[in-house]
Amino acid sequence: KAGVTQTPRYLIKTRGQQVTLSCSPISGHRSVSWYQQTPGQGLQFLFEYFSETQRNKGNFPGRFSGRQFSNSRSEMNVSTLELGDSALYLCASSSGDSPQYFGPGTRLLVL
Amino acid sequence: QKEVEQNSGPLSVPEGAIASLNCTYSDRVSQSFFWYRQYSGKSPELIMSIYSNGDKEDGRFTAQLNKASQYVSLLIRDSQPSDSATYLCAVTAGGTSYGKLTFGQGTILTVHP
Repeated sequence: KAGVTQTPRYLIKTRGQQVTLSCSPISGHRSVSWYQQTPGQGLQFLFEYFSETQRNKGNFPGRFSGRQFSNSRSEMNVSTLELGDSALYLCASSSGDSPQYFGPGTRLLVL
Repeated sequence: QKEVEQNSGPLSVPEGAIASLNCTYSDRVSQSFFWYRQYSGKSPELIMSIYSNGDKEDGRFTAQLNKASQYVSLLIRDSQPSDSATYLCAVTAGGTSYGKLTFGQGTILTVHP
């Protein structure tokens, strides 16, 4: 099976802009979770979607949002970017209650 | 107290030795426990999952879980230089077996020839 794919892999934005990241899960996986990884805070959970519904949400401001489509593909959006949003954004998929498998990540740099 | 804590590194072991990585968690109702390996510049890779008390072995890796002590560990036998990476302990939250994973800060392991 193909693994989790994320696009784009690298992104440079300026403060105040918005960004949309995309994730395609492993075939058959209906759960998609998003994480932010920074050197200072480590890996932090953003939110999880299952069958197009947000099932869990982390402690991030409302500027961070996501959605899931009927084919289980997911997008996350960050509006009004801040310098502190520079991070590796990771998407992980699972079949629901199985382990999560990570994609390669999108590295976002906010200038 | 952090929700998931790992033994501070970095940890350095000689090739062929056993590397021992430890993790404690604060949520008593956590049900699922995972070890991920992350090479520099790469994404986390699942290496072990464990759900019940006791040991689980997979090749050179053994995960140990003690829910009463809220402790999970990973042993790597016959360590190889290719095992040099950051090891992340992750725990599901809120008594569920899915969804939000809470990660420790990671332990950097270096295996020297």
